[in-house]
Amino acid sequence: GAGVSQTPSNKVTEKGKYVELRCDPISGHTALYWYRQSLGQGPEFLIYFQGTGAADDSGLPNDRFFAVRPEGSVSTLKIQRTERGDSAVYLCASSPGTAADTQYFGPGTRLTVL
Amino acid sequence: DQQVKQNSPSLSVQEGRISILNCDYTNSMFDYFLWYKKYPAEGPTFLISISSIKDKNEDGRFTVFLNKSAKHLSLHIVPSQPGDSAVYFCAASARTGGGADGLTFGKGTHLIIQP
Repeated sequence: GAGVSQTPSNKVTEKGKYVELRCDPISGHTALYWYRQSLGQGPEFLIYFQGTGAADDSGLPNDRFFAVRPEGSVSTLKIQRTERGDSAVYLCASSPGTAADTQYFGPGTRLTVL
Repeated sequence: DQQVKQNSPSLSVQEGRISILNCDYTNSMFDYFLWYKKYPAEGPTFLISISSIKDKNEDGRFTVFLNKSAKHLSLHIVPSQPGDSAVYFCAASARTGGGADGLTFGKGTHLIIQP
């Protein structure tokens, strides 16, 4: 079946602009996660959704970052007033949602803030 | 403060030999550990996992060993194949209470399999 998909694959924007990154999880997966991977680092947890609600948003770096999942499937990560330090690969993962489940990752969106 | 540490940024192994990738963690609340493999321009791919109630889990050529007292785990790949060349990430989570948590990742080890 289809895996996790993310769009766009690449996004170049200017400092101060607003961007939206989209994630389509595996069909039927109730849990959805966003991570950020900077150069030379491992993925860093941002936010976790269980269904439509954000169960844990402790990884969001500041209030410029926001994510939604209004129907419990597709999720959008929104970044306001982008800064050069926001440049990274943004990864989305999904899992069936139980404690023993593995997270399956999408290919990521490479965000470059000029 | 890095809670999951992979101290070897890269590792070169001859094809057919054993590859051993190491990972240390500091958070004693971690009770579930995973290894992911990542090729360039792709997302991480799940490889193998282990619960803290076990000390070994094996899946084909891949075996993960967990030493809780030392807060150390390792991934063994035997025999190593050219397609194993990738970046390997160690990840951990604290699943107390049964919830699904965000993972904490190490920085990765770039494994290079030499022909």
